[in-house]
Amino acid sequence: QKEVEQDPGPLSVPEGAIVSLNCTYSNSAFQYFMWYRQYSRKGPELLMYTYSSGNKEDGRFTAQVDKSSKYISLFIRDSQPSDSATYLCAMSALKAAGNKLTFGGGTRVLVKP
Amino acid sequence: NAGVTQTPKFQVLKTGQSMTLQCAQDMNHNSMYWYRQDPGMGLRLIYYSASEGTTDKGEVPNGYNVSRLNKREFSLRLESAAPSQTSVYFCASSEAGDTETQYFGPGTRLLVL
Repeated sequence: QKEVEQDPGPLSVPEGAIVSLNCTYSNSAFQYFMWYRQYSRKGPELLMYTYSSGNKEDGRFTAQVDKSSKYISLFIRDSQPSDSATYLCAMSALKAAGNKLTFGGGTRVLVKP
Repeated sequence: NAGVTQTPKFQVLKTGQSMTLQCAQDMNHNSMYWYRQDPGMGLRLIYYSASEGTTDKGEVPNGYNVSRLNKREFSLRLESAAPSQTSVYFCASSEAGDTETQYFGPGTRLLVL
C-alpha cells in the first residue's frame, strides 16, 4: 500500500465550479503538507503549504488538513480553464535540510469553459 | 534568473547504454533532488543532496548514481540503462531546512528501448 493515496481522476468540472481534491496518508509522523500544481509537460510548482492541522486560504485556494483522519484537501473556488492541471499532494515529517517529500500520484483536473 | 535548468530535454537510449542527466540551479540553494515520475506513481525520490559534498539515497536509487559537482550542479548518471528506467526525470532544489518549497526544473523525458 502506498504511503500517500490520491485519486488519479480525471476530474472534469465546468468553469466557475468548485474543485475538490483530497489525499489520504498512512504515516502519522507527517506534519508538513503541500499541494503542487503541474501543467502538462512542465515541472511541479508549489501552490499551498500547511503545517499540522487546520485550514489555510490563499485567494481562490483553500487547503485543509485533518491529522486525526489522515486526510488532506484542496478546494479551488470559481475554477478557471487555466486551473486545468495535475495536482499533487506531498508530505514530510521533518523540516530539516534535505528532508524528503512523499508525493501522491496526482489528480488530473480539467476545467471546461 | 533561470531557476532550475535540466539537459537534455529528451533522450532515447538503447538498453545498456549510459548517460548523464545534468541539472543546475542559480538560486544559491543548498539542497538538490532527483525524482522520477511515472504514470500513476507520482514523484519518487531517487537521490538527494542536502548540501554540497553530501549525497543520500532516496526511495528508488538502484541503477543510478549522482554527483554533486558544486553548489549549483547535481548530475544523475545511468550506467547501464534498462527499459524500466523509461520515465520523466525532474531535478529540484530548495533552501536548507525548507524542504516544502522545492523548485523544479522542466524535466528530461527518457526513453530506453
